[in-house]
Amino acid sequence: AQSVAQPEDQVNVAEGNPLTVKCTYSVSGNPYLFWYVQYPNRGLQFLLKYITGDNLVKGSYGFEAEFNKSQTSFHLKKPSALVSDSALYFCAVRVLMDSSYKLIFGSGTRLLVRP
Amino acid sequence: NAGVTQTPKFQVLKTGQSMTLQCAQDMNHEYMSWYRQDPGMGLRLIHYSVGAGITDQGEVPNGYNVSRSTTEDFPLRLLSAAPSQTSVYFCASSYFELAGGPGEQFFGPGTRLTVL
Repeated sequence: AQSVAQPEDQVNVAEGNPLTVKCTYSVSGNPYLFWYVQYPNRGLQFLLKYITGDNLVKGSYGFEAEFNKSQTSFHLKKPSALVSDSALYFCAVRVLMDSSYKLIFGSGTRLLVRP
Repeated sequence: NAGVTQTPKFQVLKTGQSMTLQCAQDMNHEYMSWYRQDPGMGLRLIHYSVGAGITDQGEVPNGYNVSRSTTEDFPLRLLSAAPSQTSVYFCASSYFELAGGPGEQFFGPGTRLTVL
């Protein structure tokens, strides 16, 4: 079955330290992968995507993600976390189901950056 | 551009009532979709549309209807509300990627629905 998983419900990191939010996927064919962020009481905002090309993708707010085909992973990273990065992060993957493309979202990871 | 707008922001229904959640976008996106967000379950696709006059079911379509008479509007109808439909509902729109499927999605602010 095609799926996307975020194995951590919450990630805690100190401000200034690097952060990683994990995402693994299982899809047929070439994966299209996305990261979104959700601040409290807001809709989701697009951060970055991997379609093809370089395995390291740079996105908004200093975030980047590394695509690893052998490990079927697409982890979100930032070299130096800010308190304002505290939010809910979702990984999503495009899948082909019933002859049409859809996006499947992970269950989300809450990032807490402490001062 | 207003982006994706949703109304209402909050709604309380009694079991068995019906209502329509409104969604509109002004970016001329062909692809529109409705998701529900429940704690610990991420976003689940309810229905989606690849253009005016074309709709299809997502992962959790039961109890919901949609229509797409224009490119801009994509309303979601709850036929007979049930407590299991208590959730936060998000509408999203996007262009199509050249290789197929939706591109980056633009989300509305959400509708928080409670069914008693």
